[in-house]
Amino acid sequence: DAGVTQSPTHLIKTRGQQVTLRCSPISGHKSVSWYQQVLGQGPQFIFQYYEKEERGRGNFPDRFSARQFPNYSSELNVNALLLGDSALYLCASSFAASSYNEQFFGPGTRLTVL
Amino acid sequence: GDSVTQMEGPVTLSEEAFLTINCTYTATGYPSLFWYVQYPGEGLQLLLKATKADDKGSNKGFEATYRKETTSFHLEKGSVQVSDSAVYFCALSASGTYKYIFGTGTRLKVLA
Repeated sequence: DAGVTQSPTHLIKTRGQQVTLRCSPISGHKSVSWYQQVLGQGPQFIFQYYEKEERGRGNFPDRFSARQFPNYSSELNVNALLLGDSALYLCASSFAASSYNEQFFGPGTRLTVL
Repeated sequence: GDSVTQMEGPVTLSEEAFLTINCTYTATGYPSLFWYVQYPGEGLQLLLKATKADDKGSNKGFEATYRKETTSFHLEKGSVQVSDSAVYFCALSASGTYKYIFGTGTRLKVLA
């Protein structure tokens, strides 16, 4: 079975631009979470969606938004990009939205903001 | 708030040496605890997990025991290999929440 897939793999943008990152969860998984991993640090939670509804939001500005589609895939949007948004963006899926459910991570999208 | 503290790296060991990576946590309630590994250029892979006190997670020779009395979840391996070179992340998922809280990661380098 395919794991979590993310696209694109790499992305280069300039300050002020907008970006959309995409994630497809493991088949049968209904929960998708997004994390930001800055170089040399651990991932930081951005959003979780379950059954197309936002279930949790981390401490990120309103420039960050996300949505989940009926097929459980998800998009993360970041507006008005800043240099500090340069990071690896990880998507994780799980069967349900529970602290006991293991999250499976995708390979990430490397975003560089110039 | 909830947090995870890991020992700073890098940790450099010779092949077949014993590995310990310390992890302590702060959380209300009874969190689930995880160790993830990240190989160069890749995403995170679950290494092992424990969901209640005194549980021992194990996988690929790695072990960690959920110690509620010391709020710790230290990662151990009896004999490391060069292929174990990676960054290791300790994480918790607090009961009633959906997000993982990660430590800053510990880079392990194993020399042949």
